[in-house]
Amino acid sequence: GESVGLHLPTLSVQEGDNSIINCAYSNSASDYFIWYKQESGKGPQFIIDIRSNMDKRQGQRVTVLLNKTVKHLSLQIAATQPGDSAVYFCAEKVLTGGGNKLTFGTGTQLKVEL
Amino acid sequence: EPEVTQTPSHQVTQMGQEVILRCVPISNHLYFYWYRQILGQKVEFLVSFYNNEISEKSEIFDDQFSVERPDGSNFTLKIRSTKLEDSAMYFCASSAFMVGSGEQYFGPGTRLTVT
Repeated sequence: GESVGLHLPTLSVQEGDNSIINCAYSNSASDYFIWYKQESGKGPQFIIDIRSNMDKRQGQRVTVLLNKTVKHLSLQIAATQPGDSAVYFCAEKVLTGGGNKLTFGTGTQLKVEL
Repeated sequence: EPEVTQTPSHQVTQMGQEVILRCVPISNHLYFYWYRQILGQKVEFLVSFYNNEISEKSEIFDDQFSVERPDGSNFTLKIRSTKLEDSAMYFCASSAFMVGSGEQYFGPGTRLTVT
């Protein structure tokens, strides 16, 4: 029969506010952490990545923060827009695996309210 | 902007049948991947492929699965004898590099429904 899907945590924000999406990771050996955005009916879309030897990286309207002490990753979206509504996944990558494999987290649903 | 394409967008098949999911990666990319996503769950790695060989595969990628790059543009995933639990969204991805984060570009997916 059908498997029951995981209940995604949801973050609701007002348009124009800043959003912070959090992710806890488990593998302290991960070399890269990557944020992906997945809109309904589409494949994951790369947003930004950060190497494990960094603690902050900024992109266009997005900032990723990495806290290795507590194995925590966050994605900050400035001035959130309706087009930002999607599921956001963090993913990890270990360079020595040989295959460039990404390990995804469970995701957070971001809803932008007008 | 170049993109990964996948066909078909939706495939319905009966249990025990073979299916082939097709992907056209971005043309100058050298590394290719398949992932799957069961409805409402996280995206799971299946296999990566480089230089006509499997680079890495997950526990999900058992003997029922195979991948092939039959020509210079297509990358396929074959499931020999489908099971109900193979029902999922299957995403193809490609990347130009493996160094660094090796940004992977994902296609829109093929929804496989096994009845």
